[in-house]
Amino acid sequence: DIVLTQSPATLSVTPGESVSLSCRASQGISTSIHWYQQKSNESPRLLIKFASQSISGIPSRFSGSGSGTDFTLSINRVESEDFSVYYCQQSYSLPLTFGSGTKLEIK
Amino acid sequence: QVQLKESGPGLVQPSQTLSLTCTVSGFSLSSYGVIWVRQPPGKGLEWMGVIWGNGNTNYNSALKSRLSISRDTSKSQVYLKMNSLQTEDTATYYCARAGSGFAYWGQGTLVTVSS
Repeated sequence: DIVLTQSPATLSVTPGESVSLSCRASQGISTSIHWYQQKSNESPRLLIKFASQSISGIPSRFSGSGSGTDFTLSINRVESEDFSVYYCQQSYSLPLTFGSGTKLEIK
Repeated sequence: QVQLKESGPGLVQPSQTLSLTCTVSGFSLSSYGVIWVRQPPGKGLEWMGVIWGNGNTNYNSALKSRLSISRDTSKSQVYLKMNSLQTEDTATYYCARAGSGFAYWGQGTLVTVSS
């Protein structure tokens, strides 16, 4: 199974700062990585697909990069509504797997 | 528009079988797969399995012996059955439409395993 390691587990930032969240795969997965945001008591929301492809309706401050084993979700100038948990997920091979998440919290 | 909604019992006794239904609208189950994902309280997301548009299924190997996913295309429903439930199976269970990333999710249904 492909293991996705997200870091850091928790990231404390001030609104207006720009941040980068990391997701590392245990083997090369090309660009078959997707990013989700999950707010408390809500379903996950797809932010980025295939490492860097934007999703309709998602603010442009969210962007993704990477290929192979190292991937990054960047948020340009964090807003108050962005404080939540972020997950990466690989679709390179079955079983599909998720990372353990990064919680973005207010400093 | 695309919608998915999970339904089922909120409480299941240990060792019993969980049966959940995912009712979809806005797309055909013959064209798109549906996945099941669960999330224990305060924890991360776990992919459970998928039923593809052609009816084939794949399961998380950790759950495979207990899990079954099926569908009724005429009713636009996907079913999850998992037996021998234990307290650690307490979770919110989600269905989502398979695709390039999971863009459409149900609201989730909380299942508590307790006597």
